Amino acid sequence: EVQLVESGGGLVQPGGSLRVSCAASGFIFNDYAMHWVRQAPGRGLEWVSTIHWNGVIIGYADSVKGRFTISRDNAKNSVYLQMNSLTTEDTAFYYCVKDSPYSSYPPRYFAAWGQGTLVAVSS
Amino acid sequence: QSALTQPASVSGSPGQSITISCTGTGGDVSTYDYVSWYQQHPGKAPKLIIYDVSNRPSGVPYRFSGSKSGNTASLTISGLQAEDEADYYCSSYVTATTRVFGGGTKLTVL
Repeated sequence: EVQLVESGGGLVQPGGSLRVSCAASGFIFNDYAMHWVRQAPGRGLEWVSTIHWNGVIIGYADSVKGRFTISRDNAKNSVYLQMNSLTTEDTAFYYCVKDSPYSSYPPRYFAAWGQGTLVAVSS
Repeated sequence: QSALTQPASVSGSPGQSITISCTGTGGDVSTYDYVSWYQQHPGKAPKLIIYDVSNRPSGVPYRFSGSKSGNTASLTISGLQAEDEADYYCSSYVTATTRVFGGGTKLTVL
C-alpha cells in the first residue's frame, strides 16, 4: 500500500523559513517523480513543485520560484520542501504527491496523495 | 501558469447527471490528452478519479466519466449519489516540470 506521510509543518513568522518532509513507502520511490501541492484554507489546489527521479529535473510554480527548494533522498525514500522568505500567502496545507509511473511516460497525473501538513505563516 | 477555468459550483438531484467543465489557457488542455480529475471531500486529501481525459483508476465507479473537446475537458457524473457531494478539480500536464489545476468546483447533491 502506498503511503505518503508529511511532517514538519507548523507556525512560522513572516520572513521565516521552514522545511517540510515526506516519507514514502509501499512503492519503488526512485521510479517516480514527486510533487508538492498546496491548498490554502477554504481555497483550491495549487501545484507548487516537481522533482523527477534523478533529483535534477525540477520545476516550481511562479509563486514560489526563488524562495522554495525541492529535493529528494532516494536512499531514505523521502522528498523535502525548503521554504524561505515565507509570507502569509504561503499559509496552506502542503500535500506530498506521487506521480504516475515512468513506464507510461511522461509522468502526468497525481496518482497518490499524503494527508498534508499545515504551514501557517503569521506574526 | 494560469489556472484552468472551472465553474465554482454545480448541483443535481440523486439519480441525475451533471457535467463539470475545465477550460484551458493554451498549451495545456488542448495540447495534450493528459487531463486528470480529483475528488476531495471536506477535510480529506484529494483522490484521483480520472486520468488521461477519460480513464478511470481501479475502484472508481463507472458513473464517473471524462471527455475532451478542443480546449475544454469535462467530467460527467451519472446517477448522482449523495456521497458524490465534494469538490472536484481538473489538472493538466503542461511540461515535464509544470502542472496546472483548475480552480475547483463544489458539487452539491440536492
